[in-house]
Amino acid sequence: AQKVTQAQTEISVVEKEDVTLDCVYETRDTTYYLFWYKQPPSGELVFLIRRNSFDEQNEISGRYSWNFQKSTSSFNFTITASQVVDSAVYFCALSMNTGFQKLVFGTGTRLLVSP
Amino acid sequence: GAVVSQHPSWVICKSGTSVKIECRSLDFQATTMFWYRQFPKQSLMLMATSNEGSKATYEQGVEKDKFLINHASLTLSTLTVTSAHPEDSSFYICSARDVTSGSSYNEQFFGPGTRLTVL
Repeated sequence: AQKVTQAQTEISVVEKEDVTLDCVYETRDTTYYLFWYKQPPSGELVFLIRRNSFDEQNEISGRYSWNFQKSTSSFNFTITASQVVDSAVYFCALSMNTGFQKLVFGTGTRLLVSP
Repeated sequence: GAVVSQHPSWVICKSGTSVKIECRSLDFQATTMFWYRQFPKQSLMLMATSNEGSKATYEQGVEKDKFLINHASLTLSTLTVTSAHPEDSSFYICSARDVTSGSSYNEQFFGPGTRLTVL
C-alpha cells in the first residue's frame, strides 16, 4: 500500500526564517511521482512541484527548494526567507504510475508565518 | 494552464435535501475526474474516480447510493449528495485528468472546491 507521512502538524516561524517541511513516503513500486501542493485559506489547491522516482536531483525555484532522497524515502520542502504569504497548509502527495494514477495525500503541515 | 471549475463554490441546504455539485474542465477534455472530500483541518480523501461514459469507481467506505456521480461528457462530472445530513458538511474538491499531454504522467488539475453546509 502507498502512504505519505507528514509528521509536522503545525509549524510557526517568524518572517525571514527558513523552514523545512518533512515528507516521508512508502511504496513498493519502482516508478512513482511525488508532489507538493499549497492550500491557502481560500481552499484552492496550488500545485508546487512534481518529481518522478528516477529523478533525484534537488530543485530550486525562487525561495522554494526540494530535497528528494530515495534512500530515506523522503521528499522535503524548504522555504527560504519565509513570508507572511507563505502561511498555508502544505500537502505532500504520492502517485503510482499505474491505473488512473490516483493521488495519495499526506495529512498536511500547517505553516504559520508571523510578521 | 488547464482550468477546472466547480459550481457552486458554496451551498447551504436543509437536512434531507439533495445537492448537486458540478465539475467542469474548461479548456481540455477529461476522460477521468476525481472527487475528494476534505473535513476541517484534515487531508483530502479520495471518494471516487469518475470515468466518462461508465460507472464511477468508489473508494472503500464511500456509499455509492449516497454520493451519486455522473460523468456524462468529456468536460463535465457531477456529484450529487442525496438526502444530505449535517455529517456530510465538508469541502468537496474535484480534479480532472489531462491525458493529452503525451508525457508518462497525466496531470490532475484541481477545481477550487465547493463548501457544503447541511443544517
